[in-house]
Amino acid sequence: DAGITQSPRHKVTETGTPVTLRCHQTENHRYMYWYRQDPGHGLRLIHYSYGVKDTDKGEVSDGYSVSRSKTEDFLLTLESATSSQTSVYFCAISESSRNRKNEQYFGPGTRLTVT
Amino acid sequence: DQQVKQNSPSLSVQEGRISILNCDYTNSMFDYFLWYKKYPAEGPTFLISISSIKDKNEDGRFTVFLNKSAKHLSLHIVPSQPGDSAVYFCAANSAGTASKLTFGTGTRLQVTL
Repeated sequence: DAGITQSPRHKVTETGTPVTLRCHQTENHRYMYWYRQDPGHGLRLIHYSYGVKDTDKGEVSDGYSVSRSKTEDFLLTLESATSSQTSVYFCAISESSRNRKNEQYFGPGTRLTVT
Repeated sequence: DQQVKQNSPSLSVQEGRISILNCDYTNSMFDYFLWYKKYPAEGPTFLISISSIKDKNEDGRFTVFLNKSAKHLSLHIVPSQPGDSAVYFCAANSAGTASKLTFGTGTRLQVTL
């Protein structure tokens, strides 16, 4: 199994509060991704990173920001949590796009509930 | 706009029979396709992939078929086993997109005894 951990694994928070989710990898992979999984939508990309301090938006980036100050850590922040952000969040890593395998390895997920 | 579609939300198959999971895509720039398997309370795990230069890829009990002209791919599991019960996602990628994947909505497979 790829060395990917997510913290916290579960969180309940109130509307309007900031929340930060952490993804940590021990594989030294270049690419890191944040997805959310919702019924009827599958997995949707929020933000991704292609290197330290290099990030870009995915398809559902509104209300989220990310930071990557080290290769191994990728943080996802909800600036002001809303009930629509209740979801399961997955982090994923990928070694390189050069080999064109594009296989991503996923963490165990964080279940976030915004009340 | 859903670029990758899995039109069957669920599928039930008897143990030992073939499971066929289908996926359609609309973006003609997609040139690499993957299947992931997900158990409850776990992250998705990579299962099998196929490049657009091929029409078939096999790995043990799992075979993926790609029909580019129809923009359709399918995953065959033979024989199906109870441990195959999970949600299956197909995903697609195109060159030069930083390995970003576009996922379908998933199909829940239940293999019954």
